[in-house]
Amino acid sequence: QITLKESGPTLVKPTQTLTLTCTFSGFSLNTNGVGVGWIRQPPGKALEWLALIYWNDDRRYRPFLKNRLTITKDTSTNQVVLNMTKMDPVDTGTYYCVHRGGGGDYSGSYYDFWGQGTPVTVSS
Amino acid sequence: DIVMTQSPNSLAVSLGERVTINCKSSQSLLYRSNSKNYLAWYQQKPGQSPKLLIYWASTRESGVPDRFSGSGSGTDFTLTISSLQAEDVAIYYCQQFYSTLVTFGGGTKVEIK
Repeated sequence: QITLKESGPTLVKPTQTLTLTCTFSGFSLNTNGVGVGWIRQPPGKALEWLALIYWNDDRRYRPFLKNRLTITKDTSTNQVVLNMTKMDPVDTGTYYCVHRGGGGDYSGSYYDFWGQGTPVTVSS
Repeated sequence: DIVMTQSPNSLAVSLGERVTINCKSSQSLLYRSNSKNYLAWYQQKPGQSPKLLIYWASTRESGVPDRFSGSGSGTDFTLTISSLQAEDVAIYYCQQFYSTLVTFGGGTKVEIK
């Protein structure tokens, strides 16, 4: 079955770079149509999509954060890494790694499997 | 950005009663070439990750109880729980994936009256 698990620091200082790793199993990121993304949720607030990487290395980013985000994949280790630079307290929240369930060729995606989430606090 | 607006923000319903949650998008989510509405619904129970319930506006995800149903087209969508069970206490989110920048509604909290 498909599982995803996030790992990374729980506390980062303002201006630092956050690096989160998603380790997954039950599918291959070499398979046509597959994608892995990141979604975050500030405390008590709604969900916010951040980034998605496809099997063919195509990448999509939230436009407002595009200059701060980098998503990469390593198919040999079944991992996807998200880097977010210039962290700010408003970036505090739970970060989820997600598996693309489907969508259109030129549209966004819905997500059918989610990791347990990893909490990140940005504070000095 | 496509803005997703859910209503109500919260509701309390008796066990066994019907629950209706509304979701309105700022532009149509209907892709005319395939007649599909690019809308999904998620359930997030306290302390848990969101769970996919419905996609393409009305297709139930495998394993989701049939008391959950999705309807609507264009800009107006509805998630219905036909008979509320105790385990349905959660926050429900709609999500559009018409745009490559997917966006979520603000959530609707469902509680037991």
